[in-house]
Amino acid sequence: GAGVSQSPSNKVTEKGKDVELRCDPISGHTALYWYRQSLGQGLEFLIYFQGNSAPDKSGLPSDRFSAERTGGSVSTLTIQRTQQEDSAVYLCASSPGRRSGQFFGPGTRLTVL
Amino acid sequence: SQQGEEDPQALSIQEGENATMNCSYKTSINNLQWYRQNSGRGLVHLILIRSNEREKHSGRLRVTLDTSKKSSSLLITASRAADTASYFCATDPGGTSYGKLTFGQGTILTVHP
Repeated sequence: GAGVSQSPSNKVTEKGKDVELRCDPISGHTALYWYRQSLGQGLEFLIYFQGNSAPDKSGLPSDRFSAERTGGSVSTLTIQRTQQEDSAVYLCASSPGRRSGQFFGPGTRLTVL
Repeated sequence: SQQGEEDPQALSIQEGENATMNCSYKTSINNLQWYRQNSGRGLVHLILIRSNEREKHSGRLRVTLDTSKKSSSLLITASRAADTASYFCATDPGGTSYGKLTFGQGTILTVHP
């Protein structure tokens, strides 16, 4: 079956612009996670959604970052007023439950000029 | 923040040899997971070991967990060139933070044909 998909695969933007990153999880997976990976910080947790519960936003680095998950499926990560330090690969993952391993998408490589 | 520390940072071996990677962590966990990443993009879940388990096998993979030492090891037996990748351990604290993984810095494994 189809895995986790993310779009776009690459995004180049200018400092100060807003960007939206999309994640389509595996159908039926109730949990969805966002991480980012950068050379300096490694893999960092950003936010996760579990069913209809309020999302855990504790990993979001600033209020410029937000995410939503519509209809318990597709998720969008929005970064407002992008900064150069936001440049990273943003990875989305889903799982059938919080007690399972996570299935990762291919990521979106964000470059802020 | 990175809870896991992995050792070694890089490992270079010949095809057919065994590869051992170690992971140490600092806080209590519900489970520990190992992931593989090729070419800096999506991660692939390899194996999950729960805190009440000491050893787990999956094909050529063997994972051990010592909660008293807060450490885990991943052994890949009879390595192949296709095993060349980065390997990450990730800890899951469980409780209200179930699924909120904290990743180590990773071990870069190179298997020479």
